[in-house]
Amino acid sequence: SQQGEEDPQALSIQEGENATMNCSYKTSINNLQWYRQNSGRGLVHLILIRSNEREKHSGRLRVTLDTSKKSSSLLITASRAADTASYFCATDGEETSGSRLTFGEGTQLTVNP
Amino acid sequence: DAGITQSPRYKITETGRQVTLMCHQTWSHSYMFWYRQDLGHGLRLIYYSAAADITDKGEVPDGYVVSRSKTENFPLTLESATRSQTSVYFCASTAYPGGAYEQYFGPGTRLTVT
Repeated sequence: SQQGEEDPQALSIQEGENATMNCSYKTSINNLQWYRQNSGRGLVHLILIRSNEREKHSGRLRVTLDTSKKSSSLLITASRAADTASYFCATDGEETSGSRLTFGEGTQLTVNP
Repeated sequence: DAGITQSPRYKITETGRQVTLMCHQTWSHSYMFWYRQDLGHGLRLIYYSAAADITDKGEVPDGYVVSRSKTENFPLTLESATRSQTSVYFCASTAYPGGAYEQYFGPGTRLTVT
C-alpha cells in the first residue's frame, strides 16, 4: 500500500506563479523526501526533511512538514516551464525497514510559458 | 560510464518468456532497489538488496527473481512474463541505510509483454 498520497493529482499554472503540492502519509516517519520525474526519465532527489524539522529551503523550493497532521507540502516559487514534471513524496518509518522508501502517487505539474 | 545504468532501455517480449533486466552502478553503493511504475502511478518496490548476496522482498515481489553476486550489479528476472508485468522498471541505489539518504535512480526500462 502507498504510504504517501499527493494532492492535487495534477496542477497547471502559468510561468512565474507559485506551485504548491501536498503529501499526506499514514504512519509515523523518520524522514520525508521529495523527488522530481521528468517525462520518460528516472526520479531525481530534490530535498529531504527530517521528522524533527518543520521547514526547509533549497533554492526556489520550500518544504514544510507537519508531523501532527502527517502531511508535507512542497512549494516551488516563480515556476518555470522547465519545472514541468511529476513530483513524488517518499517516506520511511514504521511501514518500511532498512533503506526502503514508500512513494506516493505523484502530482503532475504543468507550467505553461 | 559513471552513475547508474539500466539495460535494455526498451524491451518487448511475449507472455511466458523469461526476461532479465540489468542494473549497474559505479559508486559501490551497498543498497540497491528495483521498482515498477505503472502508467500514471507512483513507484512500488519489487525487491531490494543491502549488500552482495543479501536480498529481500518488497511490496510486489511475485513473479520476479533477483540476484546480487557483485556489489555493482543487481539483475531482475521475470521468470515467466505476464501482461500484468508490462510497466516501466527503475533501478536505484544508495550508500547508507535509513531513509535519510537520497536514492539515485537509473533511466528506467520500459517493458511491454504481449
